[in-house]
Amino acid sequence: GAGVSQSPSNKVTEKGKDVELRCDPISGHTALYWYRQSLGQGLEFLIYFQGNSAPDKSGLPSDRFSAERTGGSVSTLTIQRTQQEDSAVYLCASSLPSSGNQPQHFGDGTRLSIL
Amino acid sequence: DAKTTQPTSMDCAEGRAANLPCNHSTISGNEYVYWYRQIHSQGPQYIIHGLKNNETNEMASLIITEDRKSSTLILPHATLRDTAVYYCIVRVHYGGATNKLIFGTGTLLAVQP
Repeated sequence: GAGVSQSPSNKVTEKGKDVELRCDPISGHTALYWYRQSLGQGLEFLIYFQGNSAPDKSGLPSDRFSAERTGGSVSTLTIQRTQQEDSAVYLCASSLPSSGNQPQHFGDGTRLSIL
Repeated sequence: DAKTTQPTSMDCAEGRAANLPCNHSTISGNEYVYWYRQIHSQGPQYIIHGLKNNETNEMASLIITEDRKSSTLILPHATLRDTAVYYCIVRVHYGGATNKLIFGTGTLLAVQP
């Protein structure tokens, strides 16, 4: 079946602009995660959505970052007033309810470059 | 989550078994061992996970020692397409909690022709 889909695959923008990154999770997956991976670094957790529960935003690095998940499916990660240090690959993952030992399945990410 | 230790890199000949070790000596009783891999320019790919019994699926086998302080991921017949960074992660499952994955630096497996 279809996996996690992310768009755009690449985004180049100027410093100070806002960007929106989209994630379409696997159908039926109620848990959704955003991570980012800077060049040569491991994955850094950003935010987690589970069903209708309040999201866990503990990984968001600043108030310029926000995310929404509408209708329990598609999610959008928004970065306002982008800075050069925001350059990274932003990865989305989804899973069946995280209360079980369900593996997360990742998309191929959006490569964000801030000029 | 418990810390894991993996070799930085390994080589394997094409067609041979690749055995990737992972130490997790501080693992607790309710933590699972997960393996993911990341091929260049792609997102991490789930491979396998287990708690204490050995596990096998179409991709790999996972061997967990009896004391659960270490494990080995086995790719039975490595191909060039298996060249990737392999991550061993231990993770507890709390109902209602975030259960985020914490990736270390992994092992770069290079399959040689």
